Amino acid sequence: KAGVTQTPRYLIKTRGQQVTLSCSPISGHRSVSWYQQTPGQGLQFLFEYFSETQRNKGNFPGRFSGRQFSNSRSEMNVSTLELGDSALYLCASSTKTTGGYGYTFGSGTRLTVV
Amino acid sequence: QQQVKQSPQSLIVQKGGISIINCAYENTAFDYFPWYQQFPGKGPALLIAIRPDVSEKKEGRFTISFNKSAKQFSLHIMDSQPGDSATYFCAASMKGNTPLVFGKGTRLSVIA
Repeated sequence: KAGVTQTPRYLIKTRGQQVTLSCSPISGHRSVSWYQQTPGQGLQFLFEYFSETQRNKGNFPGRFSGRQFSNSRSEMNVSTLELGDSALYLCASSTKTTGGYGYTFGSGTRLTVV
Repeated sequence: QQQVKQSPQSLIVQKGGISIINCAYENTAFDYFPWYQQFPGKGPALLIAIRPDVSEKKEGRFTISFNKSAKQFSLHIMDSQPGDSATYFCAASMKGNTPLVFGKGTRLSVIA
């Protein structure tokens, strides 16, 4: 059974640019959550999608957005990149209809903003 | 405001020893407490989880101890092995559509 797939694995962008990251959940998983991981702040919740609807949103600026498609695949977008956006972006999928249970994480996308 | 406080930040244990990582929380509405293990270059992987209606859960060499009155829970790794060297995260969530809140992680090094 394939795991959570995140693409690309690595990305280098310039300040001011925008970026789109992709996440394909485990087949049958309808919930997709995104986290930002940095050495200083650890894992911080960005947002969660379930059946194409954003169900939760973390405390991040509006430059961070996401969406989910009918096949449960999800994308997140960061516009007007800042140096502080450099991080590992993790996607997690779950079968559960309530949040937090049984997350399976992908290996992440390492974003470097220069 | 950090909702789950994890300690220590780093830990060095001899092979065969016991590794202990602690977490504390404030929100009494939390009802699910998982631990995740993360190796370099990989995403966190669910290791073991507990709900507040039990005080201990054991899976192989990994045990969660839960103290509801103190609002603390801990991960014990018995007979620690070099292959256990990784970063460990505690987390918590509430019933309903709420996300997992993570501690800041503990980097464990098991030395021979």
